[in-house]
Amino acid sequence: QSALTQPASVSGSPGQSITISCTGTSSDVGAYNYVSWYQQHPGKAPKLLIYDVSTRPSGVSNRFSGSKSGNTASLTISGLQAEDEADYYCTSYTTSSTPVFGGGTKLTVL
Amino acid sequence: QVQLVQSGAEVKKPGASVKVSCKVSGYTLTELSMHWVRQAPGKGLEWMGGFDPEDGETIYAQKFQGRVTMTEDTSTDTAYMELSSLRSEDTAVYYCATIQWLAGYYFDYWGQGTLVTVSS
Repeated sequence: QSALTQPASVSGSPGQSITISCTGTSSDVGAYNYVSWYQQHPGKAPKLLIYDVSTRPSGVSNRFSGSKSGNTASLTISGLQAEDEADYYCTSYTTSSTPVFGGGTKLTVL
Repeated sequence: QVQLVQSGAEVKKPGASVKVSCKVSGYTLTELSMHWVRQAPGKGLEWMGGFDPEDGETIYAQKFQGRVTMTEDTSTDTAYMELSSLRSEDTAVYYCATIQWLAGYYFDYWGQGTLVTVSS
């Protein structure tokens, strides 16, 4: 199972919005509405931000939102804040009954 | 609330094996689908394997098959991941993480990570 494709890096200024894409295939992202997104700060474990494409767990800011179209999922962060600077990973369930991660995207808040 | 507490950092020589533990509290291990994910220095997250509740079996990523064994001790609610024939490329932080599968599919709880360093 090949990793999902994410941009290596994105950047934005405080207050702006950014979008991170996550491209897979008809065997993973396109097959199910089981895409999730994680935020990881240096030296920390990943934290769940979005699951099932667009659902936010309790306690996650509504500045984070998710969507999907075909084989590509997206994470949008609005009203960028300095603490949003982190690595972001997408994951999808696959037709092999296993999860697959994206390669990760480093977000820089300028 | 599930808590996952992992064993401490390890230093191993090439060719050796390492066994990392993950102690569960807040739930029993039998209620969870436990998986293992690793992250090499400066690299992304990589799924290694875990328990498939639909089949009732442990499934491994093809990359690690034959070299990894994941077990569970339900009497102590502790999961284990053993990786053998270690090489320098196995230097990484190893995480245990649970997958929520009953309502959706996602990693909901993570351990703090265990650094395994492979060096001669």
